[in-house]
Amino acid sequence: GENVEQHPSTLSVQEGDSAVIKCTYSDSASNYFPWYKQELGKRPQLIIDIRSNVGEKKDQRIAVTLNKTAKHFSLHITETQPEDSAVYFCAAMAENSGYALNFGKGTSLLVTP
Amino acid sequence: DTGVSQNPRHKITKRGQNVTFRCDPISEHNRLYWYRQTLGQGPEFLTYFQNEAQLEKSRLLSDRFSAERPKGSFSTLEIQRTEQGDSAMYLCASSLTGDASGNTIYFGEGSWLTVV
Repeated sequence: GENVEQHPSTLSVQEGDSAVIKCTYSDSASNYFPWYKQELGKRPQLIIDIRSNVGEKKDQRIAVTLNKTAKHFSLHITETQPEDSAVYFCAAMAENSGYALNFGKGTSLLVTP
Repeated sequence: DTGVSQNPRHKITKRGQNVTFRCDPISEHNRLYWYRQTLGQGPEFLTYFQNEAQLEKSRLLSDRFSAERPKGSFSTLEIQRTEQGDSAMYLCASSLTGDASGNTIYFGEGSWLTVV
């Protein structure tokens, strides 16, 4: 089955700096890659996603890049703010062979003022 | 539309008791998922419904776990003879087939289970 690895497990940045979180996946059939933000005790909330027919997608301060050949994708947050502090999860899904999202173990991001 | 709704939000039960969680998906979403999340881990897939049909089950879903979605709307997840290892947050999620965003999956707030 699909195995998603996520790094780093914790990340601390100064407000205004950029943060990058990287994920790798094992199943070459995976073609949908969402990123979720989860605050303590809250639901995972989708912040951005990308499909395998696209190499990069951007939404304001958040961007995701995908390298299908290398089977890795990354989340980039620019101009970080304290409210960006949360746990971020990457996930992968093979849309043509089932609809289970396989999650990474998460990255705890702390943005200090 | 208030999003995916789950209840109860918190449940403390004694080992060996049965518990049931309910999930109401986003209106008109035909796909419904159950995930389990423990502290410091990402959500783990348990099972998935398309309308009332349960199409996929994870090996994590032991015989003590059963999920239903009888009318293709709300779903229940029952855990029989609970064990301490069942303590976790049970997340429900839903999505809409054919949605322009594809398989965007929306999560509920989760139901926290503590088995003592």
